[in-house]
Amino acid sequence: RKEVEQDPGPFNVPEGATVAFNCTYSNSASQSFFWYRQDCRKEPKLLMSVYSSGNEDGRFTAQLNRASQYISLLIRDSKLSDSATYLCVVNRDDKIIFGKGTRLHILP
Amino acid sequence: GAGVSQSPSNKVTEKGKDVELRCDPISGHTALYWYRQSLGQGLEFLIYFQGNSAPDKSGLPSDRFSAERTGGSVSTLTIQRTQQEDSAVYLCASRPGPFQETQYFGPGTRLLVL
Repeated sequence: RKEVEQDPGPFNVPEGATVAFNCTYSNSASQSFFWYRQDCRKEPKLLMSVYSSGNEDGRFTAQLNRASQYISLLIRDSKLSDSATYLCVVNRDDKIIFGKGTRLHILP
Repeated sequence: GAGVSQSPSNKVTEKGKDVELRCDPISGHTALYWYRQSLGQGLEFLIYFQGNSAPDKSGLPSDRFSAERTGGSVSTLTIQRTQQEDSAVYLCASRPGPFQETQYFGPGTRLLVL
């Protein structure tokens, strides 16, 4: 079993819709959690950190469920510019573990 | 301030040749990571440096791959006797310390082995 697992997608979503991704992690000792965004042929960039209390940044909401060991990302009122691959990232000690990513296509 | 830089941005080489890829992390960042990403695939961890030492080399795919870091700054990833399956984007990332949270990526080196 991979340490971080994501549905690879693609998710094809009409503009303006709400879309949610989940990510599961296997090691309960994992300490911190992030969502990164990667555009085609570009490097990954940090989107947001993920906390148990949940955190929101504009149209984006991230949530951590430690008991079930999953992380979620919700995008409301999706824009064409949201089309990208979303990477779930887990830190454990000095290790950084990336999921394979979920591809999102926003359709006009 | 300057971000992570990598050179060259693109490299085309012939099978069997050696290549050297360079990463300049953000100044003061002690932790440095190398990843590989093949077309349409996820990130594959290669090696991690803390300062000049590499506590985790578990991701290096073969003994043709090596990396070093000197002066706690610049790192080079060397691939000897390149093979076509080495073609990928090689990404470098740094963060302030091993337990600091956010990692910053360079733009990558696109390697094509003919």
